[in-house]
Amino acid sequence: AQKITQTQPGMFVQEKEAVTLDCTYDTSDPSYGLFWYKQPSSGEMIFLIYQGSYDQQNATEGRYSLNFQKARKSANLVISASQLGDSAMYFCAMRGYNNNDMRFGAGTRLTVKP
Amino acid sequence: EAGVAQSPRYKIIEKRQSVAFWCNPISGHATLYWYQQILGQGPKLLIQFQNNGVVDDSQLPKDRFSAERLKGVDSTLKIQPAKLEDSAVYLCASSRAQGGVNSPLHFGNGTRLTVT
Repeated sequence: AQKITQTQPGMFVQEKEAVTLDCTYDTSDPSYGLFWYKQPSSGEMIFLIYQGSYDQQNATEGRYSLNFQKARKSANLVISASQLGDSAMYFCAMRGYNNNDMRFGAGTRLTVKP
Repeated sequence: EAGVAQSPRYKIIEKRQSVAFWCNPISGHATLYWYQQILGQGPKLLIQFQNNGVVDDSQLPKDRFSAERLKGVDSTLKIQPAKLEDSAVYLCASSRAQGGVNSPLHFGNGTRLTVT
């Protein structure tokens, strides 16, 4: 079975600073993908970044980077130079080769303070 | 490319009534998903289609929920009869193909259902 754990219900960060959102996972799949999504108050789910379980390097997409530590089963999202528009819910998700549906964590609400 | 389309955007019904949601995935996306997102929680998968066949409906409450994807494109999700605990946002998502761990899901804007 697959499980995603996000232990931070809420996080605050000052504008222009960096913030790390934690995600740990558990799976029996030998191959899997890890994803982060942003959900603003308007409700849409926006895909941010992807990390494959066999990727050697950490994924980066603009101000987003993924700190992937396979042995620790963690896939933390790092947002650099936070902006007010980054205030939203952030969800970590996983998709396995055998368990192919995408499972989500409970989410972290990020608030960026001016 | 056009995104995933969902309607209606909002729906308010009384308990024991029925309701239906519609989803049109991104063109060419073979896999379609329905998720239920209760306020304050992450999305929970209800059902997954590959073309017009069901891949996974293990978490669909089949005594009241049903879904179909005729012709492998549009999909409808129905609840009959609705209960108070069905109040949630129903999200439709699509992706290119099943089996690809690197394929992100693309979501619609969701339907916010309130059962009174």
